[in-house]
Amino acid sequence: AQKITQTQPGMFVQEKEAVTLDCTYDTSDPSYGLFWYKQPSSGEMIFLIYQGSYDQQNATEGRYSLNFQKARKSANLVISASQLGDSAMYFCAMRGGSNFGNEKLTFGTGTRLTIIP
Amino acid sequence: NAGVMQNPRHLVRRRGQEARLRCSPMKGHSHVYWYRQLPEEGLKFMVYLQKENIIDESGMPKERFSAEFPKEGPSILRIQQVVRGDSAAYFCASSAERGLNTEAFFGQGTRLTVV
Repeated sequence: AQKITQTQPGMFVQEKEAVTLDCTYDTSDPSYGLFWYKQPSSGEMIFLIYQGSYDQQNATEGRYSLNFQKARKSANLVISASQLGDSAMYFCAMRGGSNFGNEKLTFGTGTRLTIIP
Repeated sequence: NAGVMQNPRHLVRRRGQEARLRCSPMKGHSHVYWYRQLPEEGLKFMVYLQKENIIDESGMPKERFSAEFPKEGPSILRIQQVVRGDSAAYFCASSAERGLNTEAFFGQGTRLTVV
């Protein structure tokens, strides 16, 4: 079974500072993908960044980067130069396995990020 | 290029009624996933469908819930005889293909309230 753990229910960060959102995962599959999604107060799920288990380099997308430490089974999201619009819930998710049909995403419980002006 | 369209956005049903949630995937996408989000929780997988086939329904409650994705038309998540505990946000996602790194695009969700 796959499991995603996000241990920070809420975080407050000063505008323009960098922020790291923690995510650890557990899986016995050798192949898996890790995703981060943002859910603003309007409710939609916005894809931010993806990291594959065999990727040699950490993924980056604009101000978002993923600090992937495979041995520790962690996939922390780093947001540089935070903005007020970054205030939202952030979910870490995993898709994995070599089994046919194992396409579902397993989500963590999320971290509510609030950016302070 | 429209994204994943879900309707209705908000749905209110009395206990015992039926709820039908619709999801039109992105153009060209033949893989659809349904997730449920209870208040202040993460999304929980319910079912994965391809056109006319249910691939994985391991997250679906055994009773009252069903899903379909016909050859023509949207995917439908149907909840019969709704109860208060069914109140949640239901999200649909679609993808063009299978694969670990295939991005799933989410709709805006349907918020079901059972009164």
